[in-house]
Amino acid sequence: QVQLQESGPGLVKPSENLSLTCTVSGGSVSSSAYYWSWIRQPPGKGLEWIGYVYYSGSTKYNPSLKSRVTISADTSKNQFSLKLTSVTAADTAVYYCARVVVASDNFFDPWGQGTRVTVSS
Amino acid sequence: SYELTQPPSVSVSPGQTASITCSGDRLGQKYVSWYQRKPGQSPVVVIYEDTKRPSVIPERFSGSNSGNRATLTIRGTQAMDEADYYCLTWDTSTVLFGGGTKVTVL
Repeated sequence: QVQLQESGPGLVKPSENLSLTCTVSGGSVSSSAYYWSWIRQPPGKGLEWIGYVYYSGSTKYNPSLKSRVTISADTSKNQFSLKLTSVTAADTAVYYCARVVVASDNFFDPWGQGTRVTVSS
Repeated sequence: SYELTQPPSVSVSPGQTASITCSGDRLGQKYVSWYQRKPGQSPVVVIYEDTKRPSVIPERFSGSNSGNRATLTIRGTQAMDEADYYCLTWDTSTVLFGGGTKVTVL
């Protein structure tokens, strides 16, 4: 059974970069059957898709975040990562990683437990 | 840009049917999945490809999608179903979430 686990700093200063890693167990980021995605949920708000990476290295990002986001995969470590540059308080959120099953309908399953990131000086 | 609209909240009595809608332009031409998020837990897919239910999800959960509206239906709602529910669709290879609906079981 595949499991995903987010890791990274819980506190980031404004204007700095946010970096998170998702470690995958029980599955492989090298599989062509899945995308590997990041999603976030700001306090009191809904879910916001950030982007995903495919085993080939190709990526797709939310247009509203595209200029600040990089998602990459490290097949040797079976991990994928999120980098968000020049963060502000608006980037404070719980960040989730998730596997996307590539099928006629691409759906997100499973999700990691989430990691809370606060942007504050 | 494409948008998905959900009602902010739905209330239902135990044992009754809860219907959660998700509206978008010609949404019936796209696939919709639904996610349940309970407090303190990560989201779980309850419906994908409009109507399909993962094996671990109870049969009381069902979905439909036609015209401009997708609907998640919970029959015989239980207290454990109290959660936030989000619809999701894809538009030109990007992902869109609805704003979420809080289901309260009174």
